[in-house]
Amino acid sequence: DQQVKQNSPSLSVQEGRISILNCDYTNSMFDYFLWYKKYPAEGPTFLISISSIKDKNEDGRFTVFLNKSAKHLSLHIVPSQPGDSAVYFCAASPSGGSNYKLTFGKGTLLTVNP
Amino acid sequence: DGGITQSPKYLFRKEGQNVTLSCEQNLNHDAMYWYRQDPGQGLRLIYYSQIVNDFQKGDIAEGYSVSREKKESFPLTVTSAQKNPTAFYLCASSPLLGELFFGEGSRLTVL
Repeated sequence: DQQVKQNSPSLSVQEGRISILNCDYTNSMFDYFLWYKKYPAEGPTFLISISSIKDKNEDGRFTVFLNKSAKHLSLHIVPSQPGDSAVYFCAASPSGGSNYKLTFGKGTLLTVNP
Repeated sequence: DGGITQSPKYLFRKEGQNVTLSCEQNLNHDAMYWYRQDPGQGLRLIYYSQIVNDFQKGDIAEGYSVSREKKESFPLTVTSAQKNPTAFYLCASSPLLGELFFGEGSRLTVL
């Protein structure tokens, strides 16, 4: 039973355009959400997070939106750059973000074409 | 530079052999974790430790063992009891509350 779903295995966008990566979750106890970015042959790195008390969090070119009623979050990258090409993992946690309770999605491979 | 070091990067094992993957961190983090990643899958937690000399099973602990004798080190042993050990293994550390920092991973292949 997949509690965190990233239904698009891959996404391709042109440089300079917006990239939108989506994530759905089923567990209503999740209240903290994160995005991690992973380049080939490297470990994932933390990108951005949001708690359930907010519906938007912004950090430079990266914005995460949370729609609690739809159990859906999305990561927007504007403008997209070729260096953003990577696998993006969505993760969710109940109870204030304990890492050992994190559930990861399968990831979405983003390719940004020059 | 502070970070997490995993070794070896690539490892081949014959069936029936135990292997140990090393993970060392110099970030002074209290918590350490081992994850497994299979193709097309999310990360799954094998074991975690929040303090020296204590560790807890994650979602897929069967066939694995760990130790936490030092704050900096959290080695993972893949035993012969693990039925499907070929995978990419990621070690991570964090403060007790805070984001995960990952190593570069170890790819284990069983021949």
